[in-house]
Amino acid sequence: EVQLVESGGGLVQPGGSLRLSCAASGFTFNTFPMNWVRQAPGKGLDYISFISRYGDDIYYADSVKGRFTISRDNAKNSLYLQMNSLRAEDTAVYYCARGDREFDFWGQGTLVTVSS
Amino acid sequence: EIVLTQSPGTLSLSPGERTTLSCRASQSVSKLVWYQQKPGQAPRLLISGASIRATGIPDRFSGSGSGTDFTLTISRLEPEDFAVYYCQQYGNSPRTFGQGTKVEIK
Repeated sequence: EVQLVESGGGLVQPGGSLRLSCAASGFTFNTFPMNWVRQAPGKGLDYISFISRYGDDIYYADSVKGRFTISRDNAKNSLYLQMNSLRAEDTAVYYCARGDREFDFWGQGTLVTVSS
Repeated sequence: EIVLTQSPGTLSLSPGERTTLSCRASQSVSKLVWYQQKPGQAPRLLISGASIRATGIPDRFSGSGSGTDFTLTISRLEPEDFAVYYCQQYGNSPRTFGQGTKVEIK
């Protein structure tokens, strides 16, 4: 069974940092690109980052470029999102999602709240 | 960046009814996906390639369209179908989502 489990969310002050993790199981992790998608409270889905199977192709939305870093450790079947210089508008549930084109499996999400 | 506009914003319907959701792109897209999201849950893939149902998706869900105009049809609403539906395009970088259509119980 494919499983994606996010962790690392929490309350952080503006300007602070957090590192999100996504633990994958039930499939061969290094054969799939991975993504981060976020959803602000009561809002729609916001696509923020992509990483190819071996990390040689990476994309960031303009809203997070220069502040967030996506990475993966295929040996640990894990995806990461390092988030620096956090802002109130980064408050959201962060989902990891598997896939290149369509996202066929999603984690349950981890909530990041940026507030003083 | 391609902008996807979904309409209507909200649909108020009764179980058993048929409904059609629209997703319009600001320019031609090569591939379109539909997701369903229920409160407190992650999105679930429904339709890829505009018309291909994902594994386990009942055949009351169907997708169609090409170019800039796409639709998701639910032939007969079941109680579990009341949710928010999002379209997403992936043929053109970056991938983008529509703002969602909420299907609520009337």
